[in-house]
Amino acid sequence: AQKVTQAQTEISVVEKEDVTLDCVYETRDTTYYLFWYKQPPSGELVFLIRRNSFDEQNEISGRYSWNFQKSTSSFNFTITASQVVDSAVYFCALSEARSSNTGKLIFGQGTTLQVKP
Amino acid sequence: GAGVSQSPSNKVTEKGKDVELRCDPISGHTALYWYRQSLGQGLEFLIYFQGNSAPDKSGLPSDRFSAERTGGSVSTLTIQRTQQEDSAVYLCASSARLLSGNTIYFGEGSWLTVV
Repeated sequence: AQKVTQAQTEISVVEKEDVTLDCVYETRDTTYYLFWYKQPPSGELVFLIRRNSFDEQNEISGRYSWNFQKSTSSFNFTITASQVVDSAVYFCALSEARSSNTGKLIFGQGTTLQVKP
Repeated sequence: GAGVSQSPSNKVTEKGKDVELRCDPISGHTALYWYRQSLGQGLEFLIYFQGNSAPDKSGLPSDRFSAERTGGSVSTLTIQRTQQEDSAVYLCASSARLLSGNTIYFGEGSWLTVV
């Protein structure tokens, strides 16, 4: 069965702190894709990153970094030196290759991040 | 257009009325998706289109829900005889192609409130 778990419902940090959002996934496919989306108060889901299951190289983009570990089925997201503008709901999502005829995303429940000034 | 455009952004309707939600995908994107976001259910996949075809309607919550896409572009999601449990944000998304690795881009959603 496919499933995405974001165990942290809400996180609150003070500006400039580092914060890590956890994501654990379940899939029986060997080929799959993982995504992170940000949902600010405006409601739009903003694409942040996509990784495929064959590429475990970690990625850094500015203050954002992602740690993909197949051994623990995790795809964690770290924000370094957080800012108030980072306050949003963050979703981790999974797309299985065998769902290639649907492109369906399976989302976690989301983590609400509040960054206080 | 530059992004996925949805209308109306907000809709309040009386129970029992029909509503139509519209989605205009990113220009050139052949795949289009509808998701629903509600407090109790999180983000649920409803239906996808490849071109004008929707091969799998099993994600639609009930037979009161239908969707169509014409001209390979604009899509409408119709909810007939709305119920209070239909209150949610309906998110439309599109991708260049219908492949699981393609990035899916979302609109801002249509907030539906059934009173």
